[in-house]
Amino acid sequence: EIVLTQSPGTLSLSPGERATLSCRASQSVSSNYLAWYQRKPGQAPRLLIYGASSRVTGIPDRFSGSGSGTDFTLTISRLEPEDFAVYYCQQYGSSPLTFGGGTKVEIK
Amino acid sequence: QVQLQESGPGLVKPSETLSLTCAVSGGSISSNYWSWIRQPPGKRLEWIGNIYNSGSTNYNPSLKSRVTISIDTSKNQFSLKVNSVTAADTAVYYCARSSGWLPDSWGQGTLVTVSS
Repeated sequence: EIVLTQSPGTLSLSPGERATLSCRASQSVSSNYLAWYQRKPGQAPRLLIYGASSRVTGIPDRFSGSGSGTDFTLTISRLEPEDFAVYYCQQYGSSPLTFGGGTKVEIK
Repeated sequence: QVQLQESGPGLVKPSETLSLTCAVSGGSISSNYWSWIRQPPGKRLEWIGNIYNSGSTNYNPSLKSRVTISIDTSKNQFSLKVNSVTAADTAVYYCARSSGWLPDSWGQGTLVTVSS
């Protein structure tokens, strides 16, 4: 199975700053089927990005995804107060589907 | 917009069967794949498996021998059973709608604790 490693584990930033989250796969992700989710306490995980770089309808354009093969990045261009949460990457190109361990974006 | 709600016992005894149901509203279950995902405390999210409306299933090999996912289109719901549970099965369990194999709408999750 594909192992996804996210870094850093925690990102301490201030509102308005840029956040760069990394997700590295143990082998190439088929068709770049890599997704990013946001999860806040007590809420359902929310899909932000699929296909490595396609933004879900309704997701603000400050969220962007990039990368291919084994290295992927989620960028939040300017952090808003509601963006402080845990972010997960997930590959859905091969079974079993697997998830990264998460990056917590916290207020500095 | 589709909404999903997990339900079932919050406490299960070791060696017994964990049973959860996911009620789907705001959309028909007669399309898409439908998935179960869990997260044990302090561990990463783990995909359990999915089912299509035809009843065709796919399971994570790590759980395949103990897991059954079923669907009831008349009730617009799908279910999860995990046999012979141990403390390692303690987790927050999520159900999700999948577009293709991509989980795109999730329930809020339900905590299931395995303990005597």
